[in-house]
Amino acid sequence: DTGVSQDPRHKITKRGQNVTFRCDPISEHNRLYWYRQTLGQGPEFLTYFQNEAQLEKSRLLSDRFSAERPKGSFSTLEIQRTEQGDSAMYLCASSLGALNFYGYTFGSGTRLTVV
Amino acid sequence: DAKTTQPNSMESNEEEPVHLPCNHSTISGTDYIHWYRQLPSQGPEYVIHGLTSNVNNRMASLAIAEDRKSSTLILHRATLRDAAVYYCILRDGNSGNTPLVFGKGTRLSVIA
Repeated sequence: DTGVSQDPRHKITKRGQNVTFRCDPISEHNRLYWYRQTLGQGPEFLTYFQNEAQLEKSRLLSDRFSAERPKGSFSTLEIQRTEQGDSAMYLCASSLGALNFYGYTFGSGTRLTVV
Repeated sequence: DAKTTQPNSMESNEEEPVHLPCNHSTISGTDYIHWYRQLPSQGPEYVIHGLTSNVNNRMASLAIAEDRKSSTLILHRATLRDAAVYYCILRDGNSGNTPLVFGKGTRLSVIA
């Protein structure tokens, strides 16, 4: 297993366009998390899944954002009608479970630039 | 989750020990102390976590104060590859559904 994979690594899009990012977690991990990180800040939680169920969404996740995890495997994060304020690094993480001894494994992120 | 306070930045010489402090005066009895670090252009990576006792692993040691209101991440011999942002995070052990909440962390610079 090569860890958490995110695709693409970089995305440049024009304002108003839709973008979709993909995350492939570690195969046996049932929890999957999405975070957003802007320059100089720590990662901010967006949403998470346990298997295919989306259990929590942050207030940061406006109605332009949608995330899915069909069949409890890979996940996609879609941003519709992108705005310049959406420019950030989007990070995906997975964990084996919810308890404290299960650390998160993060991917290297997708850097989005909205021009 | 209770809040943590970390210095914005620290500097260390290569091959010397580094002590990264974290204050968490409002920690509750069930809060675990987690440390993650983020190397440049990477996602965060797990370093270590503990509840009450000091913890050691291949990456670092975690020293927890007796009253648990502070903790220190210890890198025994800093290398250039340890230059990163280090995050101290509290996580309620009774609430497995609460995702990790990151602050701004401490940016560690290592000088050759």
